[in-house]
Amino acid sequence: DAGVTQSPTHLIKTRGQQVTLRCSPISGHKSVSWYQQVLGQGPQFIFQYYEKEERGRGNFPDRFSARQFPNYSSELNVNALLLGDSALYLCASSLDWADETQYFGPGTRLLVL
Amino acid sequence: DQQVKQNSPSLSVQEGRISILNCDYTNSMFDYFLWYKKYPAEGPTFLISISSIKDKNEDGRFTVFLNKSAKHLSLHIVPSQPGDSAVYFCAASGGTYGQNFVFGPGTRLSVLP
Repeated sequence: DAGVTQSPTHLIKTRGQQVTLRCSPISGHKSVSWYQQVLGQGPQFIFQYYEKEERGRGNFPDRFSARQFPNYSSELNVNALLLGDSALYLCASSLDWADETQYFGPGTRLLVL
Repeated sequence: DQQVKQNSPSLSVQEGRISILNCDYTNSMFDYFLWYKKYPAEGPTFLISISSIKDKNEDGRFTVFLNKSAKHLSLHIVPSQPGDSAVYFCAASGGTYGQNFVFGPGTRLSVLP
């Protein structure tokens, strides 16, 4: 069975640019969450989506947005990139929004220069 | 303010001995706790969890203990194996965070052969 997949694996952008990260959940999972992991810290919650609706939002600026598609895949968009946005972006899927076990993908490493 | 703390950034243990990883939390609304293991270039992998209605949960070599009054949990690995060398994250959910996690900063475990 395929696990959570994310693309791209690595990305380099410059300040002010926009980036889109993609995630495909485990087959049958309807909930997708996004986390940001800065070097030396634990992952920090950004968004949760379930059945294409936003179910939760962490303490991130409006430059961060996301959406979920009918096939339950998801995109995370970050506008007006800052140097501080450089991080590993992790996607996690779960069966539904109340499922307390989330399964993580390998992440997309974003470097903002 | 860090709501989930792992005060030991690193831990070294001899193969075959017990590894004890500690985690403290400040938010009394947290009601579910998990441990994740992370290898380099991979996403976090779910290890074991515990609900606040329990004080112990075992799964093979892994046992998690929860002390609600002290707001403290620990992960015991017995016996430790070199393949257990990874970064271990403690995570908590509940209260206003719903089913999304607040992660600690992680502890790097090295199991020496």
